[in-house]
Amino acid sequence: GAVVSQHPSRVICKSGTSVKIECRSLDFQATTMFWYRQFPKQSLMLMATSNEGSKATYEQGVEKDKFLINHASLTLSTLTVTSAHPEDSSFYICSAVTSGDNEQFFGPGTRLTVL
Amino acid sequence: KQEVTQIPAALSVPEGENLVLNCSFTDSAIYNLQWFRQDPGKGLTSLLLIQSSQREQTSGRLNASLDKSSGRSTLYIAASQPGDSATYLCAGSTGGGNKLTFGTGTQLKVEL
Repeated sequence: GAVVSQHPSRVICKSGTSVKIECRSLDFQATTMFWYRQFPKQSLMLMATSNEGSKATYEQGVEKDKFLINHASLTLSTLTVTSAHPEDSSFYICSAVTSGDNEQFFGPGTRLTVL
Repeated sequence: KQEVTQIPAALSVPEGENLVLNCSFTDSAIYNLQWFRQDPGKGLTSLLLIQSSQREQTSGRLNASLDKSSGRSTLYIAASQPGDSATYLCAGSTGGGNKLTFGTGTQLKVEL
């Protein structure tokens, strides 16, 4: 299957700082990428849909100014958590899908801890 | 708003048993359905994809089916092994799009 990577895999930061997470499709072009967050022992919650070359579409309740998404190329989307606070600590996972296909491929996730 | 329930929430079985995991959607108009496996602290591994024109998919010891009339899907695991221990998540999209709504997960433990 297709491979999706995320970087970093783990990050610890101080409250008030910004953190950037990268999501890359390694062997295919991803016209659409999705960003999810997962709290301990809970399922995945979709945060936003990222389409290459256009603005991201955010789910209800997700602050677009806090979670900045950029999908500058067909293989890279970035999520920046701005002015992070301890409640932003979570597991962030991206997925990617190629045009004409329906199967989503997921990255390995990024564990964010805000102190 | 689509809600997805998975039953049971947790399951512990001895090695070799055949087992069934269940997933139900409040909105039965499911376009695509995927089953995933998630190991602790890891991302998701796609197991099976049932596309809009399909009702069933098989891969090795895994078989997934989808009943669109009821909005229910089952994942059948044959001859379970300790390596199958993980959390299993179902997710479905509606309206022809790719946005997935995830279930609550079933935590499976297969014991020696």
